[in-house]
This record gives sequence, C-alpha cells and structure tokens, in this order.
Amino acid sequence: NSKVIQTPRYLVKGQGQKAKMRCIPEKGHPVVFWYQQNKNNEFKFLINFQNQEVLQQIDMTEKRFSAECPSNSPCSLEIQSSEAGDSALYLCASSRQVSNERLFFGHGTKLSVL
Amino acid sequence: GQQVQQSPASLVLQEGENAELQCNFSSTATQLQWFYQSPGGSLVSLLSNPSGTKHTGRLTSTTVTKERRSSLHISSSQTTDSGTYLCAIDRGSNNRIFFGDGTQLVVKP
Repeated sequence: NSKVIQTPRYLVKGQGQKAKMRCIPEKGHPVVFWYQQNKNNEFKFLINFQNQEVLQQIDMTEKRFSAECPSNSPCSLEIQSSEAGDSALYLCASSRQVSNERLFFGHGTKLSVL
Repeated sequence: GQQVQQSPASLVLQEGENAELQCNFSSTATQLQWFYQSPGGSLVSLLSNPSGTKHTGRLTSTTVTKERRSSLHISSSQTTDSGTYLCAIDRGSNNRIFFGDGTQLVVKP
C-alpha cells in the first residue's frame, strides 16, 4: 500500500473552476514531486519541492497553478482556472532526496474537466 | 527525442508464461526504476536497478548501464500481473525523472 496519500481520488470540475488536490508525502521524505499523466500515458513534470521550497516548476505550473508544501500540512496543487486539457491523472511522489533516489507515488487524483 | 523507449508496446500472455520487457534510454541514467501501474492508475515502484541484476519475488531486472538498456523479466505470469509496466530514469538532474510509454501486459487465464 502506498504511503503517499493523495486526495481526492477523483475530482470533477467545470471549465473555469478551481481544482485543488492534496498530497501527504511519506514520513521522512522532504522532497515532493507532482507529475501529470495524460490520456496518452505521457508524464509531464509539473513542480517539485524540498521541504517548503519550490525547486523547479514548468511555465504552465507557474502561470496557472498554485502549489505549496507547508510544514505540518499536506502539500497541495491547485489549478486556478480549469481547462478541458487539464483532464488527467495528477500524481504526487515523495523521495528522501532530490535525485538518485527512489520515488514513491501516491494513487493519484483523476481530474475530469467538463 | 524520447529519453526512454520501451518494448513491446503491448504483450498478451497465457497465465504461467514468462514475460520479458525491455527499456532503452538515450542518456546516462544515475537511477532506473521499474513501476507497475494498475488499471486504476496507482503507480507502484517494483524495482530500483541502475546497474546489474536484481530480483524480487517473480521479478528480475537486469540493467546494462554502458549499453543503456534494462529488462524486466516476470516469471510464471498471473492474471493479477495485468497492467502497465513503466521504466523511468533519473539523470541526476534535480527536477524530474523520465518515463517510457510503458508496456501494456495482459495475462489471460
């Protein structure tokens, strides 16, 4: 069973609505990644954190998403204004360090934008 | 170009048969992982194998780093093995790992 907890499992939003998903990383893992997996099975890196600090994010995330990993609270990823093309599986992963370490994934949040 | 290429794209087996999945990558990998993704989408790390051979249960992975390839062997396949097998590499950069497109495995009873 995954020790990375993602909620909700499914999320349905209308275009223009906000869509927020959460992730609790595995205990002791200071690094958190968010990936988007589209219906073509393509994985897109969105953003990663080390503790509360953003390490890297792509343009789309910076412009359209709001993400944070506060101490003692779940990490969150929120789309400010959902678009049809945002429909995808959003996967959160945690790790002990930024690179050269195993990633442990949550079950994902499946977002459908109608 | 694609960093990680997997073959075959799909594989259909009868229960009890063995499966051999291939992963080729185009750049140096400091870490390589095989993942299993269930039909429901959950992603599970199966093996972490940047070089050499590793076993866990019915799974064996062999990675030849200098040839930039890795294989995943599933012995005595079961219907519950059905799903997508993904190969992913870490190049040591701090922002991402690169996934292949996966091999869709179907094991029939």
